[in-house]
Amino acid sequence: GAGVSQSPSNKVTEKGKDVELRCDPISGHTALYWYRQSLGQGLEFLIYFQGNSAPDKSGLPSDRFSAERTGGSVSTLTIQRTQQEDSAVYLCASSLPRDRAPKGPKETQYFGPGTRLLVL
Amino acid sequence: AQTVTQSQPEMSVQEAETVTLSCTYDTSESDYYLFWYKQPPSRQMILVIRQEAYKQQNATENRFSVNFQKAAKSFSLKISDSQLGDAAMYFCARPSNNAGNMLTFGGGTRLMVKP
Repeated sequence: GAGVSQSPSNKVTEKGKDVELRCDPISGHTALYWYRQSLGQGLEFLIYFQGNSAPDKSGLPSDRFSAERTGGSVSTLTIQRTQQEDSAVYLCASSLPRDRAPKGPKETQYFGPGTRLLVL
Repeated sequence: AQTVTQSQPEMSVQEAETVTLSCTYDTSESDYYLFWYKQPPSRQMILVIRQEAYKQQNATENRFSVNFQKAAKSFSLKISDSQLGDAAMYFCARPSNNAGNMLTFGGGTRLMVKP
């Protein structure tokens, strides 16, 4: 079956512009995560969606970052007024929810190929 | 804050030889999962192997196996018969204690495979 997909693969933007990054999770996966991978900070959690529940935004680094998930499927991560320090690879992952996953591979997260963002 | 530590930024192995990548972590839970992910230059994070903490037996997936030492909070990855395609960044990760299950990653180990 299809895995997690992300678009665009690469994005170059100018400082101060807004960008939108898209994630399409595995069908049937109601849990969706955004992570950021940067040279200085490694891999860090940004935001988590579970079904129709309020998202966990505890990892968002500033109020310039926001994300939404429409219809419990596709998610969009938006960065407003981009800064050079926002340059990173943005990874999306999806998983089954804890109460539905089989006991063996419970909650394993499957990743998309990422979007490489470069802010000039 | 929970931490996951990979003490080897880089490792090198000869093709067909065996290499072990180290990982330690902290937790207050008794049952949890641990994961090793591989990230080749394509950027895609690929699940290599997972271990459930309550299981005594070390997980094995073909040439990949783990040495899970629960008391020591150690979770090392052994790659046997290394192949050129194993060259990548390897990340150890564990889910958080909260309902969100978001992953905390180690800093990664870059594995080079020499022909």
